[in-house]
Amino acid sequence: ELKVEQNPLFLSMQEGKNYTIYCNYSTTSDRLYWYRQDPGKSLESLFVLLSNGAVKQEGRLMASLDTKARLSTLHITAAVHDLSATYFCAVDNDSNYQLIWGAGTKLIIKP
Amino acid sequence: SAVISQKPSRDICQRGTSLTIQCQVDSQVTMMFWYRQQPGQSLTLIATANQGSEATYESGFVIDKFPISRPNLTFSTLTVSNMSPEDSSIYLCSVSTLGTGTYEQYFGPGTRLTVT
Repeated sequence: ELKVEQNPLFLSMQEGKNYTIYCNYSTTSDRLYWYRQDPGKSLESLFVLLSNGAVKQEGRLMASLDTKARLSTLHITAAVHDLSATYFCAVDNDSNYQLIWGAGTKLIIKP
Repeated sequence: SAVISQKPSRDICQRGTSLTIQCQVDSQVTMMFWYRQQPGQSLTLIATANQGSEATYESGFVIDKFPISRPNLTFSTLTVSNMSPEDSSIYLCSVSTLGTGTYEQYFGPGTRLTVT
């Protein structure tokens, strides 16, 4: 069965702190996607990771991919309130172009 | 990337009625997907809609309840039929261009449906 597991599912943190969201998956596709969803809004693509060791950074967010461990991380550096959102990881299913979604991590950053 | 619009953005409907949601893309795309998202939950795929073929439905979703049309490469509709309060949810359409060598999806703004 294809699975994508995120943890933690909920994270409350103070501004200025660092933290990491983890995404484990069981597919063999090894293409991984991170999305952001603000409350009441749709999903916005953040990162697409296509190969082992891939690292992408945008502002205070950095995503990496370890295909051997089937693990991706989303690291938040010196968090600010504007990063409060729900973050989803997803992997694709080679056979039918679908994405398999994690449960999402709700991130609340307190001033 | 692709710019996607959905209509309506929200609606309140009575049980037993039907609602058709429209999804319009600003460019031609191969793959279109319809999802449902309950508050605080992840995305659940309803069906994949490819132009020129019947939609492919996921387990738990049937064509009679969620008929889908895909008349061309820029447009699709999802109908929620004979609605019940359990159908209250956010409905999202997404597209995948496939041209970049990934299956990255781009999402519409969503339709928030409340069934009373």
